[in-house]
Amino acid sequence: GAVVSQHPSRVICKSGTSVKIECRSLDFQATTMFWYRQFPKQSLMLMATSNEGSKATYEQGVEKDKFLINHASLTLSTLTVTSAHPEDSSFYICSAQQGTYGYTFGSGTRLTVV
Amino acid sequence: AQSVTQLDSQVPVFEEAPVELRCNYSSSVSVYLFWYVQYPNQGLQLLLKYLSGSTLVKGINGFEAEFNKSQTSFHLRKPSVHISDTAEYFCAVTSYSSASKIIFGSGTRLSIRP
Repeated sequence: GAVVSQHPSRVICKSGTSVKIECRSLDFQATTMFWYRQFPKQSLMLMATSNEGSKATYEQGVEKDKFLINHASLTLSTLTVTSAHPEDSSFYICSAQQGTYGYTFGSGTRLTVV
Repeated sequence: AQSVTQLDSQVPVFEEAPVELRCNYSSSVSVYLFWYVQYPNQGLQLLLKYLSGSTLVKGINGFEAEFNKSQTSFHLRKPSVHISDTAEYFCAVTSYSSASKIIFGSGTRLSIRP
């Protein structure tokens, strides 16, 4: 079946630094990828929709300058959290779309900013 | 726009008992519905989805769900649960008009008691 690899699974960074999270579709091409944020014991909140070769579409309230999304190829999308602060600590999950309504999720990245 | 409501935040069930996790949606257009399961510190795994056709959908791990358009519901059921079913379950919705964005419910924590 379709597999999405997300790295790293855990990262701890110092406040003020930037962190990059990668999301790769291993056995299919994904023209569209999605990035979600999940707070403890809460649901997934869509942050942005990433389309290969074009600018990402951000949801209302998501700072595009803080959460940089790049989708340079059909198998790779990256999320960079710039100038991270403790309030950015969260669980980030990517999803790649395959076909019309097939969504495969990565295993998530636990970001802790200290 | 679509929305999805999961009526129960937590559902405790004894092992081998049946379970139903409730999900209601709201939409002015035709919808596509999903159930996902999330184990601790992991991404989401698709249990089943309804796109069209038979309203009774069978998924993995013995789960099934029934699409009820008149009641705008998509409840998830399993006739006999196991300890391994302990997890967070998310109902989700998308539509043709939503640019493939998938919206999640708040989640239901299923806890199985021996």
